[in-house]
Amino acid sequence: GAVVSQHPSWVICKSGTSVKIECRSLDFQATTMFWYRQFPKQSLMLMATSNEGSKATYEQGVEKDKFLINHASLTLSTLTVTSAHPEDSSFYICSASPSGGQGGDSPLHFGNGTRLTVT
Amino acid sequence: GENVEQHPSTLSVQEGDSAVIKCTYSDSASNYFPWYKQELGKRPQLIIDIRSNVGEKKDQRIAVTLNKTAKHFSLHITETQPEDSAVYFCAANLKGNNRLAFGKGNQVVVIP
Repeated sequence: GAVVSQHPSWVICKSGTSVKIECRSLDFQATTMFWYRQFPKQSLMLMATSNEGSKATYEQGVEKDKFLINHASLTLSTLTVTSAHPEDSSFYICSASPSGGQGGDSPLHFGNGTRLTVT
Repeated sequence: GENVEQHPSTLSVQEGDSAVIKCTYSDSASNYFPWYKQELGKRPQLIIDIRSNVGEKKDQRIAVTLNKTAKHFSLHITETQPEDSAVYFCAANLKGNNRLAFGKGNQVVVIP
């Protein structure tokens, strides 16, 4: 149980275009989902917390107007990278926990990730 | 601060030997400590976790030990196999905001 699915697995786009990434909880409802960014050989950097039915909470230094997050249902959160630039190229991973948080009431499970390349 | 530090950054072991990765944390209120394994280009997979009410937990060849007084916890992999080669991340929950803080990761290479 507790499967998190992410789509697409990889995407190549031209500079200036926007890309939407979907994150779905397949067998549980997730009032909260988390979006991470990971550069090669580096750790997971939390970008934002996606809250169902309300605005996302962004980490310091993350531009909310550039990384648009929508959490319209209990099983779906989307991350849109707007006006993408080559420096936005990265591995984006979402995660969710059946308990809704990361405090450990239930394990945090990750999506399969999206490799974004901006040319 | 919210630091979770992980050592060493890279670890090479001969197949069949044991591997140990250590993490330290700073938030004394942390009470949940998961370990994730990430293979190249794939998602992090939870391999084992421990809560603060126990000092050790074991699952086949993997074990985790926790020393709350010293604020450190370790991952132990016994009888290592080539498929154990991956990056391992430790994490600790931050009670104040219900988040996980991740270590920087440890590259484990099992030499056949």
